[in-house]
Amino acid sequence: DGGITQSPKYLFRKEGQNVTLSCEQNLNHDAMYWYRQDPGQGLRLIYYSQIVNDFQKGDIAEGYSVSREKKESFPLTVTSAQKNPTAFYLCASSISLGQSNQPQHFGDGTRLSIL
Amino acid sequence: KQEVTQIPAALSVPEGENLVLNCSFTDSAIYNLQWFRQDPGKGLTSLLLIQSSQREQTSGRLNASLDKSSGRSTLYIAASQPGDSATYLCAVLYTGANSKLTFGKGITLSVRP
Repeated sequence: DGGITQSPKYLFRKEGQNVTLSCEQNLNHDAMYWYRQDPGQGLRLIYYSQIVNDFQKGDIAEGYSVSREKKESFPLTVTSAQKNPTAFYLCASSISLGQSNQPQHFGDGTRLSIL
Repeated sequence: KQEVTQIPAALSVPEGENLVLNCSFTDSAIYNLQWFRQDPGKGLTSLLLIQSSQREQTSGRLNASLDKSSGRSTLYIAASQPGDSATYLCAVLYTGANSKLTFGKGITLSVRP
């Protein structure tokens, strides 16, 4: 079955540590996205990528970094500079940017907590 | 500022009731509007997508409508079931937004048996 796989499901970060969240898709989608979800808030865009080796900052990129070396993979690193990383992180993909008739597909998320 | 609002934040109904979830947006210049379902601790599942040129979309017991001029969308759920209990999120793709969806905070629906 085609879909988006996020791992791990739960992740704990120590003070001063960088952690990386994995996102893999086999939908052959060009565009991929990372969102952060906090209780009582809507999803906020962290980074997005239109094609391999290209990515753009979203609304809350500070303290995060990404790479897009392969079409199917878009890992997110939460750096020590992100002082409030506790949240639910969602990865999504779509056929391409700007396609008005195509929905975004989401993974099952990674819950990150501070130790 | 382009925003999406969903009110109320939570709703509880008895099983079998027909119900309407509301979504409002601040700018009529949109590409599309999407409705998603989120179960606790899970990702989002796309339910319906309405393009700017469309007035409504239907899938099974779900019907979503779009009125750009008033900045409103509704998700109609017919004959609600306990399995419909989840959070429903509305998201708008504004023109010029380069595929960046703007999400509402969601409505948490509880259908009582």
